[in-house]
Amino acid sequence: DIQLTQSPSFLSASVGDTVTITCRASQGISGYLAWYQQTSGKAPKLLIYAASTLQSGVPSRFSGSSSGTEFTLTITSLQPEDFATYYCQQLSTFGQGTKLEI
Amino acid sequence: EVQLVESGGGLVQPGRSLRLSCAASGFTFDYYAMHWVRQAPGKGLEWVSGISSNGDILDYADSVRGRFTISRDNAKNSLYLQLSDLRAEDTAFYYCAKDHCSGRSCYWFHPWGQGTLVTVSS
Repeated sequence: DIQLTQSPSFLSASVGDTVTITCRASQGISGYLAWYQQTSGKAPKLLIYAASTLQSGVPSRFSGSSSGTEFTLTITSLQPEDFATYYCQQLSTFGQGTKLEI
Repeated sequence: EVQLVESGGGLVQPGRSLRLSCAASGFTFDYYAMHWVRQAPGKGLEWVSGISSNGDILDYADSVRGRFTISRDNAKNSLYLQLSDLRAEDTAFYYCAKDHCSGRSCYWFHPWGQGTLVTVSS
């Protein structure tokens, strides 16, 4: 089974910062990766799919990229509503999550 | 607007059964695969089960295979999850989610319902 390892598990940042979250797959997954955002008490929301395609309605400050088995979610110019937990996902496997805190 | 509304959660004793439902609206239900994803309180996300658009392909996580059964009724725009032989570790919020891709399943989940809480305890 493929495993996804996210780093870091916790990330502290400020409004206006740029942050990067990494997801490393245990084997090649051909860019078949999605990113989700979950704010406290709410259902997850799809941000990015196919490693770099922005879901409709998601702000352009969110972006995704990949290099081999390493995938990256970048958020530029952090807004207060961006402080949440982020998960990567490939098929039936989720990463363990990254909590982005102020 | 696409809406998914789960129901059927609650407190149940270990070993007992429960049936979750997900009512879908705002899209052509029988075009899309559907999934269940759960989240134990304070923990991460765990995909549980998926079903193809016409119901002929079923998929389960190893942790629930043989105990949970996914099904759908396209005439009623509804998705179901039958939970049997429940264990304490099945305690979680259960979300239904629409597959992002029409026809084939791509396992990108959008959108999600608000979730229903299942608590397994004596």
